[in-house]
Amino acid sequence: AQSVTQLGSHVSVSEGALVLLRCNYSSSVPPYLFWYVQYPNQGLQLLLKYTTGATLVKGINGFEAEFKKSETSFHLTKPSAHMSDAAEYFCAVTNSGYSTLTFGKGTMLLVSP
Amino acid sequence: GAVVSQHPSRVICKSGTSVKIECRSLDFQATTMFWYRQFPKKSLMLMATSNEGSKATYEQGVEKDKFLINHASLTLSTLTVTSAHPEDSSFYICSASLGQGSAGANVLTFGAGSRLTVL
Repeated sequence: AQSVTQLGSHVSVSEGALVLLRCNYSSSVPPYLFWYVQYPNQGLQLLLKYTTGATLVKGINGFEAEFKKSETSFHLTKPSAHMSDAAEYFCAVTNSGYSTLTFGKGTMLLVSP
Repeated sequence: GAVVSQHPSRVICKSGTSVKIECRSLDFQATTMFWYRQFPKKSLMLMATSNEGSKATYEQGVEKDKFLINHASLTLSTLTVTSAHPEDSSFYICSASLGQGSAGANVLTFGAGSRLTVL
């Protein structure tokens, strides 16, 4: 069984501030980890993914995440928030060849001027 | 890149009617598609896995007779909500996988979602 816990349903930052969205996972086998972003009334867009290899993964729009096995974490960061980053962010995990994802409950990122 | 188109984006229907939502892979063949349901302020819940040419695999607690899934071709899967009721109102999202293999290689592509409102 696998699960994802996203700490904080809402995170508020000021424009230009560091963004940190937390994700912890549980998996009985080596996981594949994903971060998706969802804008209002839209589907999900892949930000980045970790499969194997380098544990620091860079994605689109300046986001990156680091896989830490010892902490079972995959936190998402961005050095400087932009107003356009305001959206819902989902962390997801899978360990099957059929790509059945288990999603966290999401974190709404609010960016203030 | 891989694109998944979902139609309609919004639909309003009367209670008791059926609604069909289409999910198309535009520039690739999707052997497997997934249907998710998203409740307000909640995560996505996997409803079923749709495999081309075979019956869909439903997750526990999902009524297969209410949510009919058909994956008749490699580019089209449909979800039909039969005899819809207000509690079926939700945001339905489909996603497509390029095929079996390493999960890391099979990054899902998501449709834009369909908002169903049942009056």
